[in-house]
Amino acid sequence: GNSVTQMEGPVTLSEEAFLTINCTYTATGYPSLFWYVQYPGEGLQLLLKATKADDKGSNKGFEATYRKETTSFHLEKGSVQVSDSAVYFCALNPQTGANNLFFGTGTRLTVIP
Amino acid sequence: DTEVTQTPKHLVMGMTNKKSLKCEQHMGHRAMYWYKQKAKKPPELMFVYSYEKLSINESVPSRFSPECPNSSLLNLHLHALQPEDSALYLCASSQEGGIDTQYFGPGTRLTVL
Repeated sequence: GNSVTQMEGPVTLSEEAFLTINCTYTATGYPSLFWYVQYPGEGLQLLLKATKADDKGSNKGFEATYRKETTSFHLEKGSVQVSDSAVYFCALNPQTGANNLFFGTGTRLTVIP
Repeated sequence: DTEVTQTPKHLVMGMTNKKSLKCEQHMGHRAMYWYKQKAKKPPELMFVYSYEKLSINESVPSRFSPECPNSSLLNLHLHALQPEDSALYLCASSQEGGIDTQYFGPGTRLTVL
């Protein structure tokens, strides 16, 4: 089946620290992979995506590389800011016809000054 | 422009009320989605419309009734809801179905008394 596993949160970092949020997946086909971010009280915003193996998605200093051999799509940022405090969801689209998104449970990040 | 709008932002209703949630996009997308998100949980897919036809209904109770009057609009009609239906209701759209990236609206926070 299709599923996404994210690291348990919450994660608390000091400003300018390095961020890694782990995401691994199980998929029946060749999925597209996504990171969405949800700021407090808001909907989901697409942060970045990758559609095939070895693709790197990047946006706003965040990066994630689609690793087929380890079935992973870890999110990284070199220097976090207080404004990055949010919940981050890893998701996959199995690309089997129906446009279903399978979400991980989300990781809450808090960045302190 | 990748904007999906939702109204109202907040809604409080009693168990005997009838209300509707509205979602709109002007990106020319032909697939639209309703998700339900409980607190500290990932979004769960409820319905998918593709070319204004209902293509996926994830076994949602009949007290939720979706409607797609045209390619830009998606409604969710609510009737006889239960307190456990209180959640954030998210709308999303994508170019078509299949593998296309979904863009989310800000959500309607629903409270059922």
